[in-house]
Amino acid sequence: IVLTQSPGTLSLSPGERATLSCRASQSVSSNYLAWYQQKPGQAPRLLIYGASSRATDIPDRFSGGGSGTDFTLIISRLETEDSSVFYCQQYGSSPYTFGQGTKLEIK
Amino acid sequence: QVHLQESGPGLVKASETLSLTCTVSGTSITSDYWSWLRQPPGKGLEWVGHIYYTGRTNFNPSLKSRVVALVDTSKNQFSLKLTSVTAADTAVYYCARESPTRGFDHWGQGILVTVSS
Repeated sequence: IVLTQSPGTLSLSPGERATLSCRASQSVSSNYLAWYQQKPGQAPRLLIYGASSRATDIPDRFSGGGSGTDFTLIISRLETEDSSVFYCQQYGSSPYTFGQGTKLEIK
Repeated sequence: QVHLQESGPGLVKASETLSLTCTVSGTSITSDYWSWLRQPPGKGLEWVGHIYYTGRTNFNPSLKSRVVALVDTSKNQFSLKLTSVTAADTAVYYCARESPTRGFDHWGQGILVTVSS
């Protein structure tokens, strides 16, 4: 399954809301779609699993939605520390695949 | 808390075998699946494959012919071998716990492996 993320880069200000998109080339089984945040030099961190469930210790500013082939990650009340690359990933069918990433810049 | 730590050589010669080990602490390796992923410098993430504590494996078809994975429950470790490496295998390699319903919920810090000619 090919995952296509958009936009490639997003530049926003603190306090604004970010909307990130992930589109799958075919339906993701059981909506097993996850979102990860990766900062430079660090391992990815799980944010959202099952399309809409927040992982442990993830603030409620992060929310996920969607089903089938179209998924969204919304980050509200942006903070400077949110500057990262965000990846979507499907784990419903093997081989598990990732999107190419969306870079979020906080101005 | 769950902790994973990769170890192994940071430099491998082309055509040779890349060997990495992941040591797990804070949980038993006899649960869930344990995955290897990699990320070439400046690029995106690729799932390499996973192993269950029974030794059952599943690999990405793009690498399947060159990958071997093993598990050592007595040491709470699992390992990866990638044969006939080329410069295209240069990447940060991560080990991660894979939950069937939650994805990759715990990751190691990653280890950069450079393939030299």
